[in-house]
Amino acid sequence: GIQVEQSPPDLILQEGANSTLRCNFSDSVNNLQWFHQNPWGQLINLFYIPSGTKQNGRLSATTVATERYSLLYISSSQTTDSGVYFCAADNNAGNMLTFGGGTRLMVKP
Amino acid sequence: KAGVTQTPRYLIKTRGQQVTLSCSPISGHRSVSWYQQTPGQGLQFLFEYFSETQRNKGNFPGRFSGRQFSNSRSEMNVSTLELGDSALYLCASSFSDAEQYFGPGTRLTVT
Repeated sequence: GIQVEQSPPDLILQEGANSTLRCNFSDSVNNLQWFHQNPWGQLINLFYIPSGTKQNGRLSATTVATERYSLLYISSSQTTDSGVYFCAADNNAGNMLTFGGGTRLMVKP
Repeated sequence: KAGVTQTPRYLIKTRGQQVTLSCSPISGHRSVSWYQQTPGQGLQFLFEYFSETQRNKGNFPGRFSGRQFSNSRSEMNVSTLELGDSALYLCASSFSDAEQYFGPGTRLTVT
């Protein structure tokens, strides 16, 4: 099956800084999603982005499908951005996401 | 539109018992997928149901099973619970083979 790797595993930022999270995948994908897991465990949808670029406020994402990677940009980080960010991909018929190991982000005031 | 709901939210069971978790998808979504999250293994796919049929299955033992009803609600069952089954169980629904939306999860503790 598809392999998904995220980097860095941990990231500590000062409030106001920018950051880039990376997701590499091993095969072509028909689904790629970025999530933020809240402290209670729920996965919050950030982007559905199998290709191209999208922006939502301070967050944006780019997927370069031909080179098998996706980037999540967080600008002007806030303490509420803290948590774990997951990238997940799927290359099968149906809905079976393979998740990366996550990036644990801590934003300090 | 209401989101994905899961019940119960928390559960404590004893080794050897069985457990049933429930997931109600977003209205109109026909696909429900289940995932297990543990500190050691991360997030792993269990199985997916679409129109009452299991369409995909992950690498889990036969103790893990599921089903989907005609209203798209889904249940998963774990029989003969083991300590290692302690985890957060997440379900997700999708309208098509595209974006998945997750519920809040059921946190299962096996003692």
